[in-house]
Amino acid sequence: ETGVTQSPTHLIKTRGQQVTLRCSSQSGHNTVSWYQQALGQGPQFIFQYYREEENGRGNFPPRFSGLQFPNYSSELNVNALELDDSALYLCASSRPTGELFFGEGSRLTVL
Amino acid sequence: KQEVTQIPAALSVPEGENLVLNCSFTDSAIYNLQWFRQDPGKGLTSLLLIQSSQREQTSGRLNASLDKSSGRSTLYIAASQPGDSATYLCAVRGASGAGSYQLTFGKGTKLSVIP
Repeated sequence: ETGVTQSPTHLIKTRGQQVTLRCSSQSGHNTVSWYQQALGQGPQFIFQYYREEENGRGNFPPRFSGLQFPNYSSELNVNALELDDSALYLCASSRPTGELFFGEGSRLTVL
Repeated sequence: KQEVTQIPAALSVPEGENLVLNCSFTDSAIYNLQWFRQDPGKGLTSLLLIQSSQREQTSGRLNASLDKSSGRSTLYIAASQPGDSATYLCAVRGASGAGSYQLTFGKGTKLSVIP
């Protein structure tokens, strides 16, 4: 049990639509990060939030955006969905040691 | 740019065998290295975290070693069980700059333990 919960677990969208994925992390873990995992690949870093501000970003376009809230919850928003956005989206929170704990993920399918 | 490679991509062993999974990384300036387990369609479960100043970590039947200078880590699993069947992922966090904000993952080793 990692204490990180994500919703929804599965969803299907069509190309051009927008999606919001949600994450609730452990109390006291004030860093949250999001990763995209395509089938058969390792997770790829999207961005990280610390105290409600983005402080690190991977090689993803601006249509991937996020929010972090004071209650340790977080959102990942993706606009103008493309077929290649189909993936498992993982949320992770960090201990001060730097150890990451992941949720079960949200499986997004874009048709 | 940090790159992480895991060999082999897939491994099948009989139950009870001891086994070693390998991970290599190109930039030795890391803050830590973490091993994860992933069951099909599921999230990642943290197995072991090794800080850059450490040489190894142990948890139950698992032992992970780190040789930062050579850019290598191994995950040793003793007395394998069918329940160990999963994909094992290695990830490193950079020591500074943009790499310090993220984990860079390998593609994983898919392990099958045959009863």
